Amino acid sequence: KQEVTQIPAALSVPEGENLVLNCSFTDSAIYNLQWFRQDPGKGLTSLLLIQSSQREQTSGRLNASLDKSSGRSTLYIAASQPGDSATYLCAVRHVSGNAGNMLTFGGGTRLMVKP
Amino acid sequence: DTGVSQNPRHKITKRGQNVTFRCDPISEHNRLYWYRQTLGQGPEFLTYFQNEAQLEKSRLLSDRFSAERPKGSFSTLEIQRTEQGDSAMYLCASASPTEAFFGQGTRLTVV
Repeated sequence: KQEVTQIPAALSVPEGENLVLNCSFTDSAIYNLQWFRQDPGKGLTSLLLIQSSQREQTSGRLNASLDKSSGRSTLYIAASQPGDSATYLCAVRHVSGNAGNMLTFGGGTRLMVKP
Repeated sequence: DTGVSQNPRHKITKRGQNVTFRCDPISEHNRLYWYRQTLGQGPEFLTYFQNEAQLEKSRLLSDRFSAERPKGSFSTLEIQRTEQGDSAMYLCASASPTEAFFGQGTRLTVV
């Protein structure tokens, strides 16, 4: 059974810092990995998607890496801003045949960026 | 806006009542998922549809829960005889072969 773990569970940083969020998963047979952002009481917004054959993806100040063999992904946020405050969720998508490529989520990292 | 619509956004109900939630996925997606998220946790898989067929159900989905997707378009999730432990955010996602898109969720509070 796939298990996804995110460390740290919570993080508080001053504005302007670069930061790294970590995600690990136990079964490397994944189709892809997605990072999501969730604001309080809201749904999930997709930030970055990395296919299993890729090593990293970038979008603006965000960079996500994937090391499938070691079961790890990181989300790097450059020059953090108060508007980045949210919960960040990592999810791995199973290979075909298991509930139609269902996603398994980590518990999330709650980020607060202080002005 | 991801293109996935969920209604209602919030629902407060008394224990023992039945509730029904609706999800309208992205029209060209044939895969639809329901997840449940409790406070401070990541979403947990409940059930999966491919077109109108319900192909997978989690053990989290007790007999009080039922989901449908008639005609392979919108989906409904019904909870019968609600309990306080059912209080959670219920999330719907529709997916292409490569990516999942989530709705804004329905926040259920059972009092």
